[in-house]
Amino acid sequence: DAGVIQSPRHEVTEMGQEVTLRCKPISGHDYLFWYRQTMMRGLELLIYFNNNVPIDDSGMPEDRFSAKMPNASFSTLKIQPSEPRDSAVYFCASSLEWAYGYTFGSGTRLTVV
Amino acid sequence: GESVGLHLPTLSVQEGDNSIINCAYSNSASDYFIWYKQESGKGPQFIIDIRSNMDKRQGQRVTVLLNKTVKHLSLQIAATQPGDSAVYFCAENEGDYKLSFGAGTTVTVRA
Repeated sequence: DAGVIQSPRHEVTEMGQEVTLRCKPISGHDYLFWYRQTMMRGLELLIYFNNNVPIDDSGMPEDRFSAKMPNASFSTLKIQPSEPRDSAVYFCASSLEWAYGYTFGSGTRLTVV
Repeated sequence: GESVGLHLPTLSVQEGDNSIINCAYSNSASDYFIWYKQESGKGPQFIIDIRSNMDKRQGQRVTVLLNKTVKHLSLQIAATQPGDSAVYFCAENEGDYKLSFGAGTTVTVRA
């Protein structure tokens, strides 16, 4: 298994632009999570899905952030418009229904200038 | 809300010595805990987990201890190696498959 796959690995964009981060979870995993990591706030849960349905999006910072999971093998996190304070590493993770331990992807390092 | 926190932000260890990383948690209802290792430029990697009905669990060179009385979690690494240099996070299950992560401890192994 290739693990959780995220793309792109690095993204540099200008303030105001739309950014889309992508994630392919491990096949068969029923849960998918989006986390954001910064030096100041550590790892923060943004949103998670169960069987492609968003369950808890209370961590999504603003309406500028949105996430979708159109099918079991793909999810996106979109920021529109992006701001410099959105600069962070964004991680996607997935897990099996019966196992709590997550498997994380390698992350997308987003820089908004 | 309640949160998970780490006692020490950094730990410097001589190669070959044992390492102990500590973590305090505040949610007495948490029933599942995980230790993750994060190397530079990578995502967190699962090390070992423990459920609240246990007080000790061993893996390969690692042991996790859980003291529910004082709400304390520790990770012991035996015979620390250079490859163990990383940031270590404890995480607790807040229910509904949500994990809350601590701030992280940076472990540096001295040759």
